[in-house]
Amino acid sequence: NAGVMQNPRHLVRRRGQEARLRCSPMKGHSHVYWYRQLPEEGLKFMVYLQKENIIDESGMPKERFSAEFPKEGPSILRIQQVVRGDSAAYFCASSNSGSNTGELFFGEGSRLTVL
Amino acid sequence: KNEVEQSPQNLTAQEEEFITINCSYSVGISALHWLQQHPGGGIVSLFMLSSGKKKHGRLIATINIQEKHSSLHITASHPRDSAVYICACTGAGSYQLTFGKGTKLSVIP
Repeated sequence: NAGVMQNPRHLVRRRGQEARLRCSPMKGHSHVYWYRQLPEEGLKFMVYLQKENIIDESGMPKERFSAEFPKEGPSILRIQQVVRGDSAAYFCASSNSGSNTGELFFGEGSRLTVL
Repeated sequence: KNEVEQSPQNLTAQEEEFITINCSYSVGISALHWLQQHPGGGIVSLFMLSSGKKKHGRLIATINIQEKHSSLHITASHPRDSAVYICACTGAGSYQLTFGKGTKLSVIP
């Protein structure tokens, strides 16, 4: 009965490198959400995915950020050419239905530090 | 756009005290979530509410849809309850969660 698994828990990148964050939802969950928590700030919605589909990416920066949730394997949040402002905790949550009806289960987060 | 406000921002309580954290939101919602985050740790979902009241152990969450207000109560507080408590709302017809800034609770033995 594994919960939502995120890895890596901590990631250090230099400016200009790429960061890939992975999220394996709870078994049976097909809805995945990504949120970002900047230092000393609240959580912000980034993107909502269902298997093989991006449903809502309105919270994600238009450039350098992308997300996918393939038929097989974890959901991936990819940040290209990272900058210092990308340093944050990135949380994934999953549910068996939309967040307006289904309980959300969160991962432990991935903490990205950009040097 | 939904605004979610929490009060207080910071709260220090003695062990065994009854604690209340408040959350107000500005537009109609389909669900309200209470979350708990320990320092450097992950996020745990405590409750999801759309009406009425829910209880789990020493935690009670209530929501008043007409007043656009929710409260989280902790009875017989304990130092292990020390954490940040976050209120989050899903707008009607939306998938997005809008989060409050959180209430940092410290329970002193």
